Amino acid sequence: QVQLVESGGGVVQPGRSLRLSCEASGFNFSHYGMHWVRQAPGKGLEWVAVIWYDRSNKYYLDSVKGRFTISRDNSKSTLDLEMKDLRVEDTAVYYCVRDGAWWFDHWGQGTPVSVSS
Amino acid sequence: DIVLTQTPLSSRVTLGQPASISCRSSRSLLHSNGDTYLSWLHQRPGQPPRLLIYMVSHRFSGVPDRFSGSGAETEFTLTISRVQAEDVGVYYCMQATRSPYTFGQGTTLEIK
Repeated sequence: QVQLVESGGGVVQPGRSLRLSCEASGFNFSHYGMHWVRQAPGKGLEWVAVIWYDRSNKYYLDSVKGRFTISRDNSKSTLDLEMKDLRVEDTAVYYCVRDGAWWFDHWGQGTPVSVSS
Repeated sequence: DIVLTQTPLSSRVTLGQPASISCRSSRSLLHSNGDTYLSWLHQRPGQPPRLLIYMVSHRFSGVPDRFSGSGAETEFTLTISRVQAEDVGVYYCMQATRSPYTFGQGTTLEIK
């Protein structure tokens, strides 16, 4: 079955960096676009970034452009999110999500990121 | 950006009774390819969201048939024909017709 397992979350100070990873299994990773979606404590869902199946396109939420970088390694079935210059408002649970063709069909359990001084 | 507005924000329903949630979009969600990319997700407390409905009315694999979706252009509805205890949680509509993808603010469903 499809499994998405995130890692790399933690507590960091504002301005610092963090790298999230997602290990995928149970499907042909190289055939699917992948997203990161976040959820601040007690809040709703916010899409963060997408990378196409072949890495040909990447798109970002305006508030993270220039600070976050999404990448993937199809040979290892992994998805990453490099986050730089973190802000307090980036505090959230970050979910790795598979794109089933313009719908989000499988979600990981999420990894929490807390940005605090 | 497309704004999705859900109503109501919370709902208390008796077991076995129907429930419906509305999602209104600030722009038409009809894609130039003729499809409409409006989905519904359900999130139980402490769990990640899970997909219920995609492309307005298509039930995702394993989703009970008491869940149905309808609508077009800017007005969409999720209906639960007979609410069960496991249906509690927050429901989100989501659009993927235009980037950035956006979500509704969520509707909390509780049992009376």
